[in-house]
Amino acid sequence: SAVISQKPSRDICQRGTSLTIQCQVDSQVTMMFWYRQQPGQSLTLIATANQGSEATYESGFVIDKFPISRPNLTFSTLTVSNMSPEDSSIYLCSLWSGQGTDTQYFGPGTRLTVL
Amino acid sequence: ELKVEQNPLFLSMQEGKNYTIYCNYSTTSDRLYWYRQDPGKSLESLFVLLSNGAVKQEGRLMASLDTKARLSTLHITAAVHDLSATYFCAVGGGSNYKLTFGKGTLLTVNP
Repeated sequence: SAVISQKPSRDICQRGTSLTIQCQVDSQVTMMFWYRQQPGQSLTLIATANQGSEATYESGFVIDKFPISRPNLTFSTLTVSNMSPEDSSIYLCSLWSGQGTDTQYFGPGTRLTVL
Repeated sequence: ELKVEQNPLFLSMQEGKNYTIYCNYSTTSDRLYWYRQDPGKSLESLFVLLSNGAVKQEGRLMASLDTKARLSTLHITAAVHDLSATYFCAVGGGSNYKLTFGKGTLLTVNP
């Protein structure tokens, strides 16, 4: 399976600031996803990031708050903008493995705390 | 809107016992996934179930899928402490491969 890395692994930020999270994959993948896991909760999909097109956002998530870039097939970024304490979560990128194994693999996550 | 319900949400077991976690989903889907998450860690893929009647086993865990009943089960046989974790089921829908997750089952296996 592909190796997924995320930076930073954790951060503590002040409200009103922005943080950009990077997701790097060691092979080319078509579909990448960004999820949020609030403390003690399940995962919620923020958006689907496909290379060469605008990200597709889920209900309740907007581009102004969570801009996403996907400049190539191995890299994506998620920015959490104008942060508030409610944004404190783990943010995970994932990729779809393709029709061989047909599963999603998840990165290690970025643990964000907003004060 | 696809909804995924897991139960129980909390499960405390004794070592050596058997138990089943249930995952119900609301609309037709041909993809069902089980993941494990240890505290402070990311998600580990356990099983991918892609057809009605699919059954997969790995060690003490066995997963099955009944697409007609929109139900998947994760059966734990002779639990051991190392199985303590949170288990999520997730349902895939449509051509965009996005996943909708259940709330997770926090499993604690006691000696």
